[in-house]
Amino acid sequence: GAGVSQSPSNKVTEKGKDVELRCDPISGHTALYWYRQRLGQGLEFLIYFQGNSAPDKSGLPSDRFSAERTGESVSTLTIQRTQQEDSAVYLCASSLASGSNQPQHFGDGTRLSIL
Amino acid sequence: GESVGLHLPTLSVQEGDNSIINCAYSNSASDYFIWYKQESGKGPQFIIDIRSNMDKRQGQRVTVLLNKTVKHLSLQIAATQPGDSAVYFCAEIFFPSGYSTLTFGKGTMLLVSP
Repeated sequence: GAGVSQSPSNKVTEKGKDVELRCDPISGHTALYWYRQRLGQGLEFLIYFQGNSAPDKSGLPSDRFSAERTGESVSTLTIQRTQQEDSAVYLCASSLASGSNQPQHFGDGTRLSIL
Repeated sequence: GESVGLHLPTLSVQEGDNSIINCAYSNSASDYFIWYKQESGKGPQFIIDIRSNMDKRQGQRVTVLLNKTVKHLSLQIAATQPGDSAVYFCAEIFFPSGYSTLTFGKGTMLLVSP
């Protein structure tokens, strides 16, 4: 497709389970970002990938959160031992490069609900 | 558990009115600003951007104004339509070390009545 694709669109799981969220960026986009959006709130930066460089993990809220990206393609965000406060929409964005004049294009997110 | 209520500022307008959505940003060193529109169940959608060396930029039906003196950004939508109903976020980009740090505001909900 032409846009950023995220899967699953919805995920409901029990507290304590691990979840894996997937992001397919726009082809050719070297920069990839993950954000968390709690209900009625703005976007909270989680992690950033640029090409083969080491990712910027400064936004990850705890060591239960991790993310990987293979080259300039798919990325997965993993949350281990999920807690109820992890319930949120997780958004992925990609951009052509990391330059300041490159807008980020967003997927529609994965809505995660922890029971 | 109890659901979290929405605490977004809300702007209600009639179809055909002009809308102005305001945003205060925090980092005087930010060099690029973006307005995004987010419809329910969707990801943010790019609307318009402006660099810090500009004070105004126009698009189709939208204008962004930047006042660096008071760190204020506004989005003007002309002839607002029901399809413009959404949450609007401003975002500032700081470009300190070769990549973009994008910081979003909390958003404003725009409700357009036919």
